[in-house]
Amino acid sequence: QVQLVQSGAEVKKPGSSVKVSCRTSGGTFSSYVINWVRQAPGQGLEWMGGITPIFGSPKYADKFQGRVTISADISTSTVYMELNSLTSEDTAVFYCASNFDGLEVLWGQGTLVTVSA
Amino acid sequence: EIVLTQSPGTLSLSPGERATLYCRASQSVSSSYLVWYQQKPGQAPRLLIYGASLRATGVPDRFSGSGSGTDFTLTISRLEPDDFAVYYCHQHDTSLRGWTFGQGTKVEAK
Repeated sequence: QVQLVQSGAEVKKPGSSVKVSCRTSGGTFSSYVINWVRQAPGQGLEWMGGITPIFGSPKYADKFQGRVTISADISTSTVYMELNSLTSEDTAVFYCASNFDGLEVLWGQGTLVTVSA
Repeated sequence: EIVLTQSPGTLSLSPGERATLYCRASQSVSSSYLVWYQQKPGQAPRLLIYGASLRATGVPDRFSGSGSGTDFTLTISRLEPDDFAVYYCHQHDTSLRGWTFGQGTKVEAK
């Protein structure tokens, strides 16, 4: 059974960067779009972007363009999301998720990123 | 970009009552890629409905989804205490520019 396993919680200073990982286990990985979604405290779900590892060309939401980098390491079945120039408004849970070209959507467990001086 | 608008924002109901949640798309969405989630505080979204009307594994049959084109509905036939949560619709068609989510409907106890 395919699972998406994310890295652990992070605490960052304003102005710094964070890199969150998402490892796929139990299935093929490189042909499917892996997406990243942000959820700020008490807020809704917000698509940040996604990547098809085998092609390596990410797509980004306009809101995050220029500040986020999504990359993939096929050898370790891992996708990364790096967010730069962090502010307190970036305090959120970040999820990776994919439909693996099917009708259902599978989610990682989420990674809490706290931005605090 | 497709915009999904959910209504109402908040639904105040009692256990045993019927809940009807709406999701309207700004342009036609493939039913195949329309899903509904339930989310409780501190938890990841839980997939309830996929393909607009198919229940995910383990989802009770009091949850049902319907709709096509631009209008989709999630119905909870008889609310149980465990159903009070926030519900999101989501289109995940990877052929489009990107994913979009509704802003959520909170179902709260009256």
